[in-house]
Formats: sequence, C-alpha cells, structure tokens
Amino acid sequence: GAGVSQSPSNKVTEKGKDVELRCDPISGHTALYWYRQRLGQGLEFLIYFQGNSAPDKSGLPSDRFSAERTGESVSTLTIQRTQQEDSAVYLCASSLGVWSANYGYTFGSGTRLTVV
Amino acid sequence: EDQVTQSPEALRLQEGESSSLNCSYTVSGLRGLFWYRQDPGKGPEFLFTLYSAGEEKEKERLKATLTKKESFLHITAPKPEDSATYLCAVQAGGQNFVFGPGTRLSVLP
Repeated sequence: GAGVSQSPSNKVTEKGKDVELRCDPISGHTALYWYRQRLGQGLEFLIYFQGNSAPDKSGLPSDRFSAERTGESVSTLTIQRTQQEDSAVYLCASSLGVWSANYGYTFGSGTRLTVV
Repeated sequence: EDQVTQSPEALRLQEGESSSLNCSYTVSGLRGLFWYRQDPGKGPEFLFTLYSAGEEKEKERLKATLTKKESFLHITAPKPEDSATYLCAVQAGGQNFVFGPGTRLSVLP
C-alpha cells in the first residue's frame, strides 16, 4: 500500500485480557518499529525488526509484551494480561533500512488502546 | 544514556508571528537528528534530517538548524495550519530513534 496501515484504529479491552495489534508496513521497507505514546508524552521505543536479523527487543517493558514479524511483511504486537497502564497509542513505523535517514520513518496512524 | 528534551512544552502564536522551537540532546555519536510533525489522532510525519553541526534544512515556512548540542526549528510567519505537535528525535549508536516529548504549537488566526 501507499502508507503504513495499522489495525484496529481503536481497541477497548478489559483488564487481564490479551490483545493483538497489527501493522502492515510499506512494501519493500525492511525495517519495522513499534513505539508507544502515552497521553501527553513522547514516543517510547518498544521493538525493532530489520530483515531476517534477530529483533531488538530492548524496549519491551515486560514479558507480557511480544511481537512477531513474518519476513518483511506484517507485524503483530501482542500484549498479554493487559493492565490499565498499558493504555496508550501504539505506533508502527517502517523504513527502507537501518539507515534510511534521508527519509526518516513513515508512521501509521496508530492503535489507541484503552484498558478498562 | 541518550536523552532529548524540547522547549517550550507549548507555544501559542498569532498568525504571522515568527518563533523558534528548541531541541536539546545528549547522545554519544550522533548519526542524525530528525524533526517530525504530529497532528492529533495521527502518526508523526517526517519533516527533516540533520547530520552535522552547521547544517540547515528548509521547507516552506520551516527551517531546521543544528549545533553540537541542540537543534532549532524556526517557524516564519506561521499560519493556523502549522498548528501541531513538533517532535525531535535522534539516532545514535542504536537502531532505534530516541524521541523528545514534543512542543505543542497553536497558531491563532
């Protein structure tokens, strides 16, 4: 597609339930990133995928968070046993590669997660 | 630890009133500094990349500059459609970007 697509755009879930967030990157973009943005705060790095290399999971806040990516396509971010502090906008971004600085990232519109 | 701060937190301008936003950073081995614009309910939109001190980039009413410790985003004669949150990010030794908290700009007609 022309841009990065994320689904769902909004998700309300009960505390303790698992959720899956999906990201479709731009075709041909080998790098894919997940960020979290809490209300009124900056973007917080979660995880990074580059091609077939092992992902950089250093930003995942707990073992309840995990992400997968199949090749250079779709990625899924899973949050198990959701807590109220998980409420945030989850943003996905893709880029041509590790160092595609001239073009930065292209972000999706995010998934707004609300845990009640 | 890489850190990025931005000031002011919020800025209100009258249409046509020029101003500057600040991004201060502490990183080891800066590979690039990035400016993004974020509208409510949307993901950040890429504006500029700066690589080295002294570099400048321009786009319409926006000009970004870089020194060894900070970057400025100058807004000349802003219009209401320039209202948004402006985010600064740095890429250093790691693969991910470190973002600042943003400056929320409101331009009043």
